[in-house]
Amino acid sequence: KQEVTQIPAALSVPEGENLVLNCSFTDSAIYNLQWFRQDPGKGLTSLLLIQSSQREQTSGRLNASLDKSSGRSTLYIAASQPGDSATYLCAPLGGSGGGADGLTFGKGTHLIIQP
Amino acid sequence: EAGVAQSPRYKIIEKRQSVAFWCNPISGHATLYWYQQILGQGPKLLIQFQNNGVVDDSQLPKDRFSAERLKGVDSTLKIQPAKLEDSAVYLCASTLGVFTEKLFFGSGTQLSVL
Repeated sequence: KQEVTQIPAALSVPEGENLVLNCSFTDSAIYNLQWFRQDPGKGLTSLLLIQSSQREQTSGRLNASLDKSSGRSTLYIAASQPGDSATYLCAPLGGSGGGADGLTFGKGTHLIIQP
Repeated sequence: EAGVAQSPRYKIIEKRQSVAFWCNPISGHATLYWYQQILGQGPKLLIQFQNNGVVDDSQLPKDRFSAERLKGVDSTLKIQPAKLEDSAVYLCASTLGVFTEKLFFGSGTQLSVL
């Protein structure tokens, strides 16, 4: 059964800093991995999707990397802004059971960017 | 493009009552998911539909939870009878395919069982 761990659980930094959020997963037989953002009281918004054959994906100030063999992914946020404050969740798709495993979520990193 | 629609937005019931949630996915999305998110946790998959067929319901408490997706479009999730531990946000998500596409989530239904 896939298990996902996200470190740190919470992070508070002044705006302008570059950040790294970490995600590790136990079963490396995944199809892809997504990073999501969740604002309080809202659903999840997909930020980046990395296919298992890819090493990284970039969107604006966000860059996600994937090291499938070691079961790790990182989300890099450049020049953080107060609007980046949210909970960030990573979710690999699949595992040894195949795609029917669905997405497995970590508990997330609660990020606060101080103005 | 319209997003994933869910209703109601909030629901408060007493234990042992029944409740139903509704989801309308993005048009053309064949795959639909229901997730349960307990406060402070990541979402947990309850059931996955491909068109109107169930792909995975291994984590659905079938003694009290049921779900259907008629005609491969809208879906309903029902809890009967509800327990205190069912208090959570119920999220619906859809995707065009399964293995290569981003998931799109609705805003969720926040359920409080008293």
